[in-house]
Amino acid sequence: EDQVTQSPEALRLQEGESSSLNCSYTVSGLRGLFWYRQDPGKGPEFLFTLYSAGEEKEKERLKATLTKKESFLHITAPKPEDSATYLCAVQAGSNTGKLIFGQGTTLQVKP
Amino acid sequence: GAGVSQSPSNKVTEKGKDVELRCDPISGHTALYWYRQSLGQGLEFLIYFQGNSAPDKSGLPSDRFSAERTGGSVSTLTIQRTQQEDSAVYLCASSLAAGFGQPQHFGDGTRLSIL
Repeated sequence: EDQVTQSPEALRLQEGESSSLNCSYTVSGLRGLFWYRQDPGKGPEFLFTLYSAGEEKEKERLKATLTKKESFLHITAPKPEDSATYLCAVQAGSNTGKLIFGQGTTLQVKP
Repeated sequence: GAGVSQSPSNKVTEKGKDVELRCDPISGHTALYWYRQSLGQGLEFLIYFQGNSAPDKSGLPSDRFSAERTGGSVSTLTIQRTQQEDSAVYLCASSLAAGFGQPQHFGDGTRLSIL
């Protein structure tokens, strides 16, 4: 069964303290791995798509990487406005493109 | 440009009533998805539309749930005889196509509360 597990569930950082979020996946035929950011009361906001092991994508203070078993979202020198829930999702081997989500990591960055 | 629009943003109803949730996708997006987000459950896939047809309904939790899409655009998710366990945020997403790697863009959801 296709499965996505994110860790930690919650993370508290001081402003400027870099860290990484983990997304481990077990899928039959990975078609794409997605990172989203979700603010309270809002829908998920698309950040990155990764397709194959070794791929990296960057956006401002965020960098996503992918291996055959997991993905990392690295946050460099975070700011309070980076506080949100970060969701990882995979597209597996079906034709529908449906996403299978992890439970998310809630990040709080304190000034 | 305009994003995915969902209405109502909040809905409170009594157990046993029927509800209709609406999704207006991004213009030109042919693929449309419904997901449900419950406390402690994360986001769960419900149904996928390509144009007006629904090739994948595998996530609908019971026959009380149905959805349609008309004109390749607006979609409606209907829940009949609502139960308390239906309380959740219902999210709609659209993408240019259902091709792999196409990012899905989400609306802000409808928060459904069943009394």
